[in-house]
Amino acid sequence: GAGVSQSPSNKVTEKGKDVELRCDPISGHTALYWYRQSLGQGLEFLIYFQGNSAPDKSGLPSDRFSAERTGGSVSTLTIQRTQQEDSAVYLCASSLAPGFSDSGANVLTFGAGSRLTVL
Amino acid sequence: QKEVEQDPGPLSVPEGAIVSLNCTYSNSAFQYFMWYRQYSRKGPELLMYTYSSGNKEDGRFTAQVDKSSKYISLFIRDSQPSDSATYLCAARVTGGFKTIFGAGTRLFVKA
Repeated sequence: GAGVSQSPSNKVTEKGKDVELRCDPISGHTALYWYRQSLGQGLEFLIYFQGNSAPDKSGLPSDRFSAERTGGSVSTLTIQRTQQEDSAVYLCASSLAPGFSDSGANVLTFGAGSRLTVL
Repeated sequence: QKEVEQDPGPLSVPEGAIVSLNCTYSNSAFQYFMWYRQYSRKGPELLMYTYSSGNKEDGRFTAQVDKSSKYISLFIRDSQPSDSATYLCAARVTGGFKTIFGAGTRLFVKA
């Protein structure tokens, strides 16, 4: 697609419910990232995929959080038994390849985010 | 201590002013430095990136990195109301995949 697409754009849920957030990266981008943005906290790294593999899951806050990527394309971030502190904007980004070179080819392109509110 | 520190502001300036946005970082292995701009309800978009120390200019925007003091700056000349957004500094190591972001500075440019 033309850009990174995320759905839903807004999600309100009750504490204890499970939620799934979807990311559709730019076609051909092999690397995919999930970040969380809380008010005044900046972007917190959650997980990174290269293809369908996740070499680094170190940013996932707890075992309630999981993510998968299928077909080297769409990714789903799942939060089980949501808590109020999970309320944030969840941002997905993709890039052509991991790492970074001065060519600029590996710049992160972000989606608009999924705003999660846990009541 | 966060790896990249940034004053969240807000910063309010009149139209036409020169804006200076700054960050500090702690990881001396960082070699790539980025500035992203984020409008309300949108994802961040890359403004500029630099490698190691030095300056880089793009139109009204200048990015500056001083590795000796671990200081990152973004200057905006002739600021416009359309520049009103949150500006996030970011850094990563050579060959690394994890980009570390600052908290972002909210900028308001008044017409």
